[in-house]
Amino acid sequence: DTGVSQDPRHKITKRGQNVTFRCDPISEHNRLYWYRQTLGQGPEFLTYFQNEAQLEKSRLLSDRFSAERPKGSFSTLEIQRTEQGDSAMYLCASSLRGSRNTYNEQFFGPGTRLTVL
Amino acid sequence: AQRVTQPEKLLSVFKGAPVELKCNYSYSGSPELFWYVQYSRQRLQLLLRHISRESIKGFTADLNKGETSFHLKKPFAQEEDSAMYYCALTGGTSYGKLTFGQGTILTVHP
Repeated sequence: DTGVSQDPRHKITKRGQNVTFRCDPISEHNRLYWYRQTLGQGPEFLTYFQNEAQLEKSRLLSDRFSAERPKGSFSTLEIQRTEQGDSAMYLCASSLRGSRNTYNEQFFGPGTRLTVL
Repeated sequence: AQRVTQPEKLLSVFKGAPVELKCNYSYSGSPELFWYVQYSRQRLQLLLRHISRESIKGFTADLNKGETSFHLKKPFAQEEDSAMYYCALTGGTSYGKLTFGQGTILTVHP
């Protein structure tokens, strides 16, 4: 296990097209997070899963965005009808679920860089 | 709303000089604060967290609740410290979800 992996690493698409990204977490990690990072900014939270349940979604996540983690392992993030403003680095992270108010370190993937033309 | 502010986008120092990366936060409650680092061509990784009170790679950070700050310090910077540094927090009902600052690019010159 070499850590969190993401595929593809780069995606160039035309405005209006749909794109899907995949994240494979560290195998024993039950929490999976998606973040988006635009140029010059820190990562912004999008959504997270505990096992297969999507527990929280950011208001940043418009109706065009959907994420799944069907078997509690890998996750996909789909963007429909892409817009130029969707151009960003999409980061995935995974962690073990801690007990109440216990933070377990999130391990980040290399990211998928999306360019919408 | 929770917010993290890193006022310096860029910070340059010479090798051996002290370095301080500033971080201020806004949060109604008791957050947990972190510093994450991203070296060139590497992934984002955790550097240190306030709750552990550790010194990692010579870096320390003290949580000042009165000033709502969590500045990162190192007394003698090294060239290998050159990287992007992000301050982040978590807490409350969304414990685990991270809120990041904008980041500071640290360059240590020989």
